[in-house]
Amino acid sequence: GDSVTQMEGPVTLSEEAFLTINCTYTATGYPSLFWYVQYPGEGLQLLLKATKADDKGSNKGFEATYRKETTSFHLEKGSVQVSDSAVYFCALNHQGAQKLVFGQGTRLTINP
Amino acid sequence: DAGVIQSPRHEVTEMGQEVTLRCKPISGHDYLFWYRQTMMRGLELLIYFNNNVPIDDSGMPEDRFSAKMPNASFSTLKIQPSEPRDSAVYFCASSPYSAHSYEQYFGPGTRLTVT
Repeated sequence: GDSVTQMEGPVTLSEEAFLTINCTYTATGYPSLFWYVQYPGEGLQLLLKATKADDKGSNKGFEATYRKETTSFHLEKGSVQVSDSAVYFCALNHQGAQKLVFGQGTRLTINP
Repeated sequence: DAGVIQSPRHEVTEMGQEVTLRCKPISGHDYLFWYRQTMMRGLELLIYFNNNVPIDDSGMPEDRFSAKMPNASFSTLKIQPSEPRDSAVYFCASSPYSAHSYEQYFGPGTRLTVT
């Protein structure tokens, strides 16, 4: 079945560092891909998405490119801030249905 | 728009008691999802509805769990009897129909503690 694998956390970086969180997927067909973010004590919220191969999703300085050849959707940010500390989830849509398949989440901590 | 509303935000109960969690989806959304989040198991989809009809309940852990959606603006997740291993954060999410986007909007969650 469809699945999403994220890099293991936790990830700790200093402010202004470059961020990469790896995400690879296994899916039939052509899924849409998502990154969700969960701030402490809150629900998940959509960070960015890409609906077809080679699309780049971007928001709040974060970017991810849908790479069909490597089945990847890595999240990047050039200069992280303390306020980016959160748990990040990669997800894909299950083909033919509305439900999402989530990765296990990666906890990110940014130190000042 | 108020977003997805969940109540209560926190619930503490004793083992064996009945627990009811409530969710109000965003108006106009066709889909409603219930998730459970724990440190050990991560984020798990329990059940989801389309136009108030349950579509997939394969994630419901056992018969102690039940979910209903009597109308488009309200859903409940009930646990009876509750057990300590049910302690988790339960999220409700809703989604409009889309052929491509599949974006879900999450509520703030209900933190359940069963002692």
